[in-house]
Amino acid sequence: EVQLVESGGGLVKPGGSLRLSCVASGFTFSAYDVSWVRQAPGKGLEWVSSVSSGGTYIYDADSVKGRFTVSRDNAKNSVFLQMNSLRPEDTAVYYCARENSGYHPFFDYWGQGTLVAVSS
Amino acid sequence: SSELTQDPAVSVALGQTVTFTCQGGGLRSYYASWYQQKPGQAPLLVIYGKNSRPSGIPDRFSGSNSGDTASLTITGAQAEDEADYYCSSRDSRGNHYVFGPGTKLTVL
Repeated sequence: EVQLVESGGGLVKPGGSLRLSCVASGFTFSAYDVSWVRQAPGKGLEWVSSVSSGGTYIYDADSVKGRFTVSRDNAKNSVFLQMNSLRPEDTAVYYCARENSGYHPFFDYWGQGTLVAVSS
Repeated sequence: SSELTQDPAVSVALGQTVTFTCQGGGLRSYYASWYQQKPGQAPLLVIYGKNSRPSGIPDRFSGSNSGDTASLTITGAQAEDEADYYCSSRDSRGNHYVFGPGTKLTVL
């Protein structure tokens, strides 16, 4: 059974940092790209960052570029999101999602999410 | 434009057919994928590619694409289909992704 489990969320002050983790199981982790997608309270889904299967290619949304860094450790079946210079507008549930990549990609498995709250 | 647009809300009588639309320039090049999200739950993939359903998704869900518009149809809507529905695709850069704002479905 494919599973993605996020952790690391919490309450942090504006300007602070947080590191999210996503541990995968049930599939060959090193064969898949993974994305982080967030959802602010009462709002829609927003793609945040993507890391390729081998970790070589990384893409970030303009809203987080220069502040967030995605990485992965295939030996530990894990993806990470280092979030720096956090702002109140970064408050959201953060999901990791497996990408079924190709010319027409889609996100076929999602974790349950971890809540990040940025407030003084 | 890299954005996707969706109607904010639609309603359907129990057992009737409802269609969601998703419009955006990127859809001329890339198929949309569709996600169902119920309150307090993670999104669930319901349609991907030209018109494919993941295992476990009922066949009342179907998708289509034409020009800059993708559509998701539920034929014979059930009470359990009440949820938010999001479309997604690559954006014009090709290596970023974009989600539509979502459509809230009410089953009457």
